[in-house]
Amino acid sequence: QSVLTQPPSVSGAPGQRVTISCAGNSSNIGAYYDVHWYQQLPGTAPKLLIYGNTIRPSGVPDRFSGSKSGASASLAITGLQAEDEGDYYCQSYDSSLSGSVFGGGTKLTVL
Amino acid sequence: QLQLQESGPGLVKPSETLSLTCTVSGGPITSSNNYWGWIRQPPGEGLEWIGSIYYVGSTYYNPSLKSRVTISVHTSKNQFSLRLNSVSAADTAVYFCARLSSGVAGTFDYWGRGTLVAVSS
Repeated sequence: QSVLTQPPSVSGAPGQRVTISCAGNSSNIGAYYDVHWYQQLPGTAPKLLIYGNTIRPSGVPDRFSGSKSGASASLAITGLQAEDEGDYYCQSYDSSLSGSVFGGGTKLTVL
Repeated sequence: QLQLQESGPGLVKPSETLSLTCTVSGGPITSSNNYWGWIRQPPGEGLEWIGSIYYVGSTYYNPSLKSRVTISVHTSKNQFSLRLNSVSAADTAVYFCARLSSGVAGTFDYWGRGTLVAVSS
């Protein structure tokens, strides 16, 4: 059972928009700690996609965007492409655990 | 460009100790405000944070693993290491090392490729 809750799967057709939610509580996201998002393509290490809730690292397309409200956060992907298919994880800090926490991951399928 | 590389045995016997090393290249492990962490991923499952360390030796561990985990830093070699004792099949996973940027509550911005460790007799 992950501290941060994500839907197990989402799907969309090429060109469409999908969102992935990440629900936390008052010890993590709701305590104003930043949310970060990672993309993990099959057989590879996770790659930083969004940090500080909304910031894209250099090289990440602007099709990816992040938002945060209260104790939840979301990742939006617009203009879906086949190469976006993979697993997506949110991550934050939890003050009650005194450490980093990850969501359970969401598998994105491009139909 | 910062690079991280995990190394260590790919097979460990039950009840023994898993030991891995992460070698950092392209930048000093002593850079301020950067921590260094271990994350693992059992086959077909999600990511689990194991623990993090600052170059002066301050450590933070996942409470669920704390009794079995030790993370150490070796500044002269630009390395940090993981020891997990009394392993069982449940510890079979891909183990990643990563840089935790902007403090202990920051983001894992650089990752190693990961190394698969199987626990089996």
